[in-house]
Amino acid sequence: GAVVSQHPSRVICKSGTSVKIECRSLDFQATTMFWYRQFPKQSLMLMATSNEGSKATYEQGVEKDKFLINHASLTLSTLTVTSAHPEDSSFYICSARRQGTNEQYFGPGTRLTVT
Amino acid sequence: GESVGLHLPTLSVQEGDNSIINCAYSNSASDYFIWYKQESGKGPQFIIDIRSNMDKRQGQRVTVLLNKTVKHLSLQIAATQPGDSAVYFCAETSYTGGFKTIFGAGTRLFVKA
Repeated sequence: GAVVSQHPSRVICKSGTSVKIECRSLDFQATTMFWYRQFPKQSLMLMATSNEGSKATYEQGVEKDKFLINHASLTLSTLTVTSAHPEDSSFYICSARRQGTNEQYFGPGTRLTVT
Repeated sequence: GESVGLHLPTLSVQEGDNSIINCAYSNSASDYFIWYKQESGKGPQFIIDIRSNMDKRQGQRVTVLLNKTVKHLSLQIAATQPGDSAVYFCAETSYTGGFKTIFGAGTRLFVKA
């Protein structure tokens, strides 16, 4: 159990367009989900914490109007990269905290390429 | 700011040998520490964790040691196998101000056959 999925796994979009990435907890409920970004040969950087039914909490330096997060249910959080630019190209990884526990499970990541 | 870092960016070991990956952390208030394995193009995979009130924990072929005096964390892999080749990250989780997991810089492990 405890599977987290992401969709799409890869996406290529043109500069100036928006792209939505979904993160789902498949077999458990997650009151909290997290979004990370990882550039090549670097570590995972926490972007924001997504809480079901409330506004996301963004880390310092992350533009909330550019990276829109919605956590509408206990099994789904979405990250929308608005007006994407080539520098937004990265590997985006979500994780989900199982409700009532400190267990955290990671998704397989989404490779975003902005041309 | 708070950070979790690694001493060695790359480690090369012979198959069958033991591997030791080190990590330094700075947030003494972290509640527990975790080691993750990441293969190319994939998300992090949980290996083992340790609570801040412990100094050693063993799993299958892996051992994590926590030295709070010098703020040092290590991952020991016994009888390293080619399938262990990956990037390893230490991470720390704290509950203060909300549940949050911060990752260190990562060490790439190469296992030579």
